[in-house]
Amino acid sequence: KAGVTQTPRYLIKTRGQQVTLSCSPISGHRSVSWYQQTPGQGLQFLFEYFSETQRNKGNFPGRFSGRQFSNSRSEMNVSTLELGDSALYLCASSLVFPREAFFGQGTRLTVV
Amino acid sequence: GNSVTQMEGPVTLSEEAFLTINCTYTATGYPSLFWYVQYPGEGLQLLLKATKADDKGSNKGFEATYRKETTSFHLEKGSVQVSDSAVYFCALSELGTGNQFYFGTGTSLTVIP
Repeated sequence: KAGVTQTPRYLIKTRGQQVTLSCSPISGHRSVSWYQQTPGQGLQFLFEYFSETQRNKGNFPGRFSGRQFSNSRSEMNVSTLELGDSALYLCASSLVFPREAFFGQGTRLTVV
Repeated sequence: GNSVTQMEGPVTLSEEAFLTINCTYTATGYPSLFWYVQYPGEGLQLLLKATKADDKGSNKGFEATYRKETTSFHLEKGSVQVSDSAVYFCALSELGTGNQFYFGTGTSLTVIP
């Protein structure tokens, strides 16, 4: 059974640019969540999508957005990149029950 | 609100030593509790979980017991190996918050031969 796949693994972007990250969940999982991981703030919840609808959202500015497609694949977009957006972005897919989150390897975003 | 507090690291142990990483939580309802492990350059892997009070999660020699009375879920292993070196995260998830997980800050463990 394939795991959660995130692409790309690494990205370098310039301040002010925008970026799109992709996540393919485990087959059959309809919930996809995104987290930002930084040394200073740890793991912070960005948002969750379930059946193409955003179900929950963390405390991030509107520059961070996402969407989910009918096949459960998800993308997140960050516009007008700032240096502080440099982080490891992790995607997790889940079943409704049991409540376990399966994580991808993450996308390492560096903003210069 | 929901939150997780775990022991600050880093922790350095000799091989075959006993490991305890403390984790306490605050939740508005009745959460499920988890331990995740992160190896360098990787995402998080589920290590073990418990879904109700007094449940014991176990995997690869690691154990944690869901203690509702002390709101704790401490991770233990009787004899650590060099390959256990990683960062360990305690987390909770609660019905009514979708599939949002609340994570502790992580505890870095280094096991030396």
